[in-house]
Amino acid sequence: EADIYQTPRYLVIGTGKKITLECSQTMGHDKMYWYQQDPGMELHLIHYSYGVNSTEKGDLSSESTVSRIRTEHFPLTLESARPSHTSQYLCASSEPLAAPYEQYFGPGTRLTVT
Amino acid sequence: GIQVEQSPPDLILQEGANSTLRCNFSDSVNNLQWFHQNPWGQLINLFYIPSGTKQNGRLSATTVATERYSLLYISSSQTTDSGVYFCAALAYSGGGADGLTFGKGTHLIIQP
Repeated sequence: EADIYQTPRYLVIGTGKKITLECSQTMGHDKMYWYQQDPGMELHLIHYSYGVNSTEKGDLSSESTVSRIRTEHFPLTLESARPSHTSQYLCASSEPLAAPYEQYFGPGTRLTVT
Repeated sequence: GIQVEQSPPDLILQEGANSTLRCNFSDSVNNLQWFHQNPWGQLINLFYIPSGTKQNGRLSATTVATERYSLLYISSSQTTDSGVYFCAALAYSGGGADGLTFGKGTHLIIQP
């Protein structure tokens, strides 16, 4: 079982602000992911990483950016928040060597842009 | 990419009833997972089951990989089972995005 932490859990912010959503995992997993989930909808992959200095875009286009400077940390940044960014953002990680591709999720950040 | 379809979209049951949720997927999978999303939005891992059968208490799951479907069984439902159940799959091609594709979920309501 993975321990994945996301902060903040809830964020209400005004249009134009820069925000960073934090995601950390303590299991040393190489792979990490960000998913976006609009209310009442399914999750969509927006970013993923295979390890330090690796970042890739997912299936759903997103104006957010990510970085992976340390194995345990995978923050997501929005340079200028807009109401269309209102959504829930969930971070996940997996360790291929143990249970191949099984992903574990953090508690999510619910973002509201006013 | 892989397509994931879940049925039924909504299900309302009385406490104590049994239920079967279905997930169809369009390709061979490396990963097939079932999740329960609670009212606070957190995804709880239920099963990692790309093939075979697993059981955990009142819940069990079966994936028939050759026929490209998975079933989640909930027996003796409790009100705490309410929420949205997601099936998600990964068909690792080595070239595409390496993340789960989610179905639209089954919204389960257990009435007391």
